[in-house]
Formats: sequence, structure tokens, C-alpha cells
Amino acid sequence: GAGVSQSPRYKVAKRGQDVALRCDPISGHVSLFWYQQALGQGPEFLTYFQNEAQLDKSGLPSDRFFAERPEGSVSTLKIQRTQQEDSAVYLCASNLRGRNTEAFFGQGTRLTVV
Amino acid sequence: SQQGEEDPQALSIQEGENATMNCSYKTSINNLQWYRQNSGRGLVHLILIRSNEREKHSGRLRVTLDTSKKSSSLLITASRAADTASYFCATVLTGANNLFFGTGTRLTVIP
Repeated sequence: GAGVSQSPRYKVAKRGQDVALRCDPISGHVSLFWYQQALGQGPEFLTYFQNEAQLDKSGLPSDRFFAERPEGSVSTLKIQRTQQEDSAVYLCASNLRGRNTEAFFGQGTRLTVV
Repeated sequence: SQQGEEDPQALSIQEGENATMNCSYKTSINNLQWYRQNSGRGLVHLILIRSNEREKHSGRLRVTLDTSKKSSSLLITASRAADTASYFCATVLTGANNLFFGTGTRLTVIP
């Protein structure tokens, strides 16, 4: 695709509801990242995939957060039993293999938990 | 947790002036990158500087890196109103692939 695509752009969830956020990376990009960005803050690292392997999930804030990338392309970030503090913009990024490459970001999903 | 911190948190300048933003980080890095974010949008990559480089230019952007001080600076010359955005530094740690972002500088360029 032309860029990283995230859906939905906006999600309102009732507290306790489960949500699933989707990321379509740029075709051929090996690495995929998820970030959480609170209002007025920088993006906080959540997790990182290389192909289908989740190599780092140290940033996931609790066991309610789960991410997968089963075929090494599309990724889903799932949040179970959402709480108000989960309200944030969730950003997905991808890049070609290698650490000396730029990351391409999607527009993000703004999650509001009410 | 944030890996880096930008300074200042907010900067307001007149169009045509230069803008300088600083970034400090904590641990050994492979490279440092600068990103821009317009309100409500995703981040856009501006420039990457490797740990063995000291200065890099791209158009009106100039980035410096001092690994001994664990700091970097981004200079935007001849600023334009369209440069109004938040600017973030991000580091790739030695031996890692993931990007860790700083807290950001909110730049306002007044026409």
C-alpha cells in the first residue's frame, strides 16, 4: 500500500469493553511497532514485531494488552476490559529490516474509554 | 518510559527566524532520528543521524549529535508558518531495533 493504514481512526469504548485496533503496514516492511501516545506526550513504545515474531513486548502496560501479527503483515492490538487510563492515540509504524532505517507511521487510532 | 527529553518543551518564534531544539538521551545508541507531528496526525520522519556521525543536513534542517554528552540538536533555518508542529527525537539503542521517543518540543511559527 501507499502508507501505513490504521483502523478505525476513532473508537469510543465503554469501560470494560474489549477493543481491537488494526494496522496494515507498508507492503514488504519486516518490522512493525505499536506505540501509545497520551495527549501532549511523546509516543510510548508498546511492542515490536519482526515478521510474525514478537521480539519485544516490554512496553505493554498490563496483561490486558495483547498484540499479534500472525502472517507477518497485518497486526492487531487488542485491549481487554478497557479502562479510562487506556484512552490515548495508538500509533503503528513499520520499516524495512535494519535499525538504520526510518519508520513510517500510520495516522493512529484515537481510543476514548468512557 | 521516555528514553529522551527535548528542550524546550515549547518554542514560539517569528517566521524567518531559526528554531533550535535539543534532545538528551540516557543510554548508548545506534542512531538518533527526528520526527515531526502535526496536530492529530501521525509522525513524519525528518532525518536520521548515526552514532558515528556528528552533523547532518537536509534542506533547512541541520542535526548535530554529541555522543559524549548524549545529546542532539535540531536546527530549522528560515522558519515558516507551515513548520508549526511538535518535534520529537527518537533513539535506536545499541543492539536494538525499536525506536524510543522523547517528550517533544511544540514549535509555533508566527506569520
